[in-house]
Amino acid sequence: GENVEQHPSTLSVQEGDSAVIKCTYSDSASNYFPWYKQELGKGPQLIIDIRSNVGEKKDQRIAVTLNKTAKHFSLHITETQPEDSAVYFCAVPRENNNDMRFGAGTRLTVKP
Amino acid sequence: DSGVTQTPKHLITATGQRVTLRCSPRSGDLSVYWYQQSLDQGLQFLIQYYNGEERAKGNILERFSAQQFPDLHSELNLSSLELGDSALYFCASSDGTNEKLFFGSGTQLSVL
Repeated sequence: GENVEQHPSTLSVQEGDSAVIKCTYSDSASNYFPWYKQELGKGPQLIIDIRSNVGEKKDQRIAVTLNKTAKHFSLHITETQPEDSAVYFCAVPRENNNDMRFGAGTRLTVKP
Repeated sequence: DSGVTQTPKHLITATGQRVTLRCSPRSGDLSVYWYQQSLDQGLQFLIQYYNGEERAKGNILERFSAQQFPDLHSELNLSSLELGDSALYFCASSDGTNEKLFFGSGTQLSVL
């Protein structure tokens, strides 16, 4: 089955700094890579995704980069703000494409 | 608001009991996923339905079962409850492509 490893498990940054979270996967056939943000008391929410035919995608202060050869993709948050504090999950569809497997999550804390 | 509705929000019950969690997917979505999230744990995939049929199964216990009805809402049944079943249970829906998942706010189950 698909193994999804996410690092680090916790990350604390100063407001205005950048944050990077990395995810590695095992299935070479995977071609869709989303990131979810879960705020306290809420369900995860898709914030950005990337397909295997591109290496990077940006949306304002967040970006995702993909290295298919190395089988890893990363979430980059620039100019972090306190409201970025949350748990972030990467995810990868399983090889049969019938379910989505999530990483263990990264708890990001942005200190004002 | 993701458009996915889960009820109830909170459920407190005793060991050995049985409960039913309900999920209404976003309008037009055919797939429903169930995930379990224990304290400080990631999202564990339980089961997925597509248009009424079971499509994928994860680490779902035999004491747990689910179904998706003709109107596309889904129910997760948990029986012979144990203390360790206490967790947040999330439902998510998608259009069937197993890509963008939309999560509900979850049901917090406490087994005492």
